[in-house]
Amino acid sequence: KQEVTQIPAALSVPEGENLVLNCSFTDSAIYNLQWFRQDPGKGLTSLLLIQSSQREQTSGRLNASLDKSSGRSTLYIAASQPGDSATYLCAVNYGGSQGNLIFGKGTKLSVKP
Amino acid sequence: ETGVTQSPTHLIKTRGQQVTLRCSSQSGHNTVSWYQQALGQGPQFIFQYYREEENGRGNFPPRFSGLQFPNYSSELNVNALELDDSALYLCASSLAGVRTGELFFGEGSRLTVL
Repeated sequence: KQEVTQIPAALSVPEGENLVLNCSFTDSAIYNLQWFRQDPGKGLTSLLLIQSSQREQTSGRLNASLDKSSGRSTLYIAASQPGDSATYLCAVNYGGSQGNLIFGKGTKLSVKP
Repeated sequence: ETGVTQSPTHLIKTRGQQVTLRCSSQSGHNTVSWYQQALGQGPQFIFQYYREEENGRGNFPPRFSGLQFPNYSSELNVNALELDDSALYLCASSLAGVRTGELFFGEGSRLTVL
C-alpha cells in the first residue's frame, strides 16, 4: 500500500530558528512530490514541487530535497517567522492520474515570537 | 490570472440529503480533481475530470459523483449524505500534458452533516 508519513505531527520553535520537516513514502516509484502549506480552515497553498529526476528545489527561505532511494523528502525552513505558523503537507504523485496525490497527515508548525 | 474558486464556502445538511459543490478552475487549466479532508487528516483523492470525463477515482462509493463542463468548471455531488461526509472538500486544477503536474487548490467548501 502506498503511504506517506510525516514526522513530527507538531513542532514548536522560537522565531529565527532553522527547522526541518520530514516526509517519508513507502513506494519509491514516484512521479513527483509536492509540499503544501495549509492555514487553519483554509485551502492548500503550493510551496514547492520536485520531479522524480530532481534532488532539490528552492524558493526563498524554503528548500525541499528528495531522496527516492530512501523514500524521503525534507522541507527546510530558514530563519523561521511567526507568519510561517501553519500545517505543512507533503503529497506524492505516483503517476496514476495527474490529480491523484497521496498526502501525509501534515506537520503543524508553531513559530513563537 | 484567476485562481481556483469554490462555492459555497460553508454549508449544513442533514443525513440523507444531497449536496452539490462547485469549482472554477484556474485560468488555462483543463483538469480538475476533488479531495475530501476530514479534521486532522490529510486530503484524500475522490476523483479527477479531464475533457468532461472522469479519468481517475479514489476509494469513494458511487454516491460521490461529478461533472466537468466545457469551460472546465466542475461539480461534486454527494447523495444520501452520512455523518462521516462532514469534511472540507477541496478542488484542485492543473494542466494536463504538462510534465510538472503541479496542482493548485481552492479554499474549500466546509460541509457539516447533522
